[in-house]
Amino acid sequence: DAKTTQPPSMDCAEGRAANLPCNHSTISGNEYVYWYRQIHSQGPQYIIHGLKNNETNEMASLIITEDRKSSTLILPHATLRDTAVYYCIVRVEPGNQFYFGTGTSLTVIP
Amino acid sequence: KAGVTQTPRYLIKTRGQQVTLSCSPISGHRSVSWYQQTPGQGLQFLFEYFSETQRNKGNFPGRFSGRQFSNSRSEMNVSTLELGDSALYLCASSAGVRYEQYFGPGTRLTVT
Repeated sequence: DAKTTQPPSMDCAEGRAANLPCNHSTISGNEYVYWYRQIHSQGPQYIIHGLKNNETNEMASLIITEDRKSSTLILPHATLRDTAVYYCIVRVEPGNQFYFGTGTSLTVIP
Repeated sequence: KAGVTQTPRYLIKTRGQQVTLSCSPISGHRSVSWYQQTPGQGLQFLFEYFSETQRNKGNFPGRFSGRQFSNSRSEMNVSTLELGDSALYLCASSAGVRYEQYFGPGTRLTVT
């Protein structure tokens, strides 16, 4: 039972905004959406998370639809170092179990 | 603040042996989770420990076990290693439920 669905791959031109979509139609009312990225089999790196309001930090913005069934991660000015696999995650209750899914492989093109 | 550390970083074992991996969480974090990453199955949850108690467990055989110490450091053990256990094992720590998890660099286990 997939908790999240993401496109397998995307390209983005360097300097442009990268918009990564995620579908989480079965999300429960108190489940947060987390975004992580993984570069070359390093440990996944935390990017941002949110519940229902849009969130922004120094790395990215997270836009969550009003019905909370989908979200979009926005990297405002993509650089070559943003090339990575991006995971949209819903935490599986109870406890702290993350369901990672297959992620989106983002390639930033010079 | 120091990040999550995992030891060893690389390990080569033979089928049938057992292995113990170690994880030191970020100071103050009481939750430690373990994940297995393989090319075929992706990132899969193994188990989570919180205050020395296993709080959650993924769908792995009993050969995979873990524990957490009073200082929140955690170990995972795999007994009777199989070729399919070759993977990157990742540990993540968190301040608690609904907080973000911070991952270590992983331990690359190769079973021959």
